[in-house]
Amino acid sequence: AQTVTQSQPEMSVQEAETVTLSCTYDTSENNYYLFWYKQPPSRQMILVIRQEAYKQQNATENRFSVNFQKAAKSFSLKISDSQLGDTAMYFCAFMRLNSGNTPLVFGKGTRLSVIA
Amino acid sequence: GAGVSQSPSNKVTEKGKDVELRCDPISGHTALYWYRQSLGQGLEFLIYFQGNSAPDKSGLPSDRFSAERTGGSVSTLTIQRTQQEDSAVYLCASSLPPVQGGTQYFGPGTRLLVL
Repeated sequence: AQTVTQSQPEMSVQEAETVTLSCTYDTSENNYYLFWYKQPPSRQMILVIRQEAYKQQNATENRFSVNFQKAAKSFSLKISDSQLGDTAMYFCAFMRLNSGNTPLVFGKGTRLSVIA
Repeated sequence: GAGVSQSPSNKVTEKGKDVELRCDPISGHTALYWYRQSLGQGLEFLIYFQGNSAPDKSGLPSDRFSAERTGGSVSTLTIQRTQQEDSAVYLCASSLPPVQGGTQYFGPGTRLLVL
């Protein structure tokens, strides 16, 4: 079974600064996807970024980038130039790949507050 | 296009009553998932449907929970004889097959409160 660990229950960052959220996972699988989702108070789960395990290059999406260390089973999210709208719960998630779809395994989440 | 929609947005019910939660996936998405989000348990997988295959029910917490997906589109999650511990946000997601991306897109959820 896969597990995902987010060791930072809460974090805060000043507006315009950079923050890194940690995520580690445990799996014996070789083929998988990793995701970061954002859940603001509206509770809508929004995809932030995704990483395919077979890709060595770290994924980036505008101000969001990941540091994917496959051997260490680490998948951290860096948010640059933090904005007030980034305030939300952030969930790291693992999806095993096989011939079909599989459910996500989520970490417990990190509550990020961006302070003006 | 339209995203995943869920109804109702909020549901308050009395202990022992049955409830039905509805999910409309993104058009063309072959897979549909139900998750439960509660304070004590975080985000838990409940059940998922993939095309015409039998659903994977391995995450359902008890036989009071069931789900259907009609016509490969809309899904209904039914909770019979609700208990207070069923109070949670129920999230639905849909996706294309992994070869076409596989990313799951979520609806806004249904907040269920069992009194």
